[in-house]
Amino acid sequence: EVQLVESGGGLVQPGGSLRLSCAASGFTFNSYWMTWVRQAPGKGLEWVANIKQDGSEKFYVDSVRGRFTISRDNAKNSLYLQMSSLRAEDAAVYYCARGQILTPWGQGTLVTVSS
Amino acid sequence: EIVLTQSPGTLSLSPGERATLSCRASQSVSGGYLTWHQQRPGQAPRLLFYGTTSRATGIPDRFSSSGSGTDFTLTISRLEPEDFAVYYCQQYGSSPPYTFGQGTKLEIK
Repeated sequence: EVQLVESGGGLVQPGGSLRLSCAASGFTFNSYWMTWVRQAPGKGLEWVANIKQDGSEKFYVDSVRGRFTISRDNAKNSLYLQMSSLRAEDAAVYYCARGQILTPWGQGTLVTVSS
Repeated sequence: EIVLTQSPGTLSLSPGERATLSCRASQSVSGGYLTWHQQRPGQAPRLLFYGTTSRATGIPDRFSSSGSGTDFTLTISRLEPEDFAVYYCQQYGSSPPYTFGQGTKLEIK
């Protein structure tokens, strides 16, 4: 069964940092682009970043570029999102998803930014 | 960046009725690279269609998708209780960011 499990969310102060992880199983991880998508409370979906199979290409939405870094470890079948200089508007459920077409999705991990 | 505008924002229908959801892009979606996702309350989204018309695994055939260029439509022929959810379109045809529409909430009338 193809599965994605996010972890690492939590409460962080404005200006702080957090590292999210996504553990993949049930498929050949190094054959797929991987994507992070977020959803602020009560809001819609926002595409955040994606990364090529070998990590050689990375793309970001403007609002996080320079603050967030997407990475992957193909040996560990894991995707990461390093978030720094966090703002209140970064508070959301963060989902990882496989590929460009986003299937499947993980269950999400909640990031709360508050003092 | 391509902006996707979904309409209506909310659609109120009864089980058994037909639902038509629209997604309009600010510029042509290259290659028809458009997806639809369904999100039920408290759940993660799931893929319904990719490449505009390709149905994802396990999606019932009462769901259909069509369109090209800047105009796309998701149709649910006969609504079942489990279809009441929020639906998002997303494009992945041009350079990232691969934007989403703001969503259409399909609610029970």
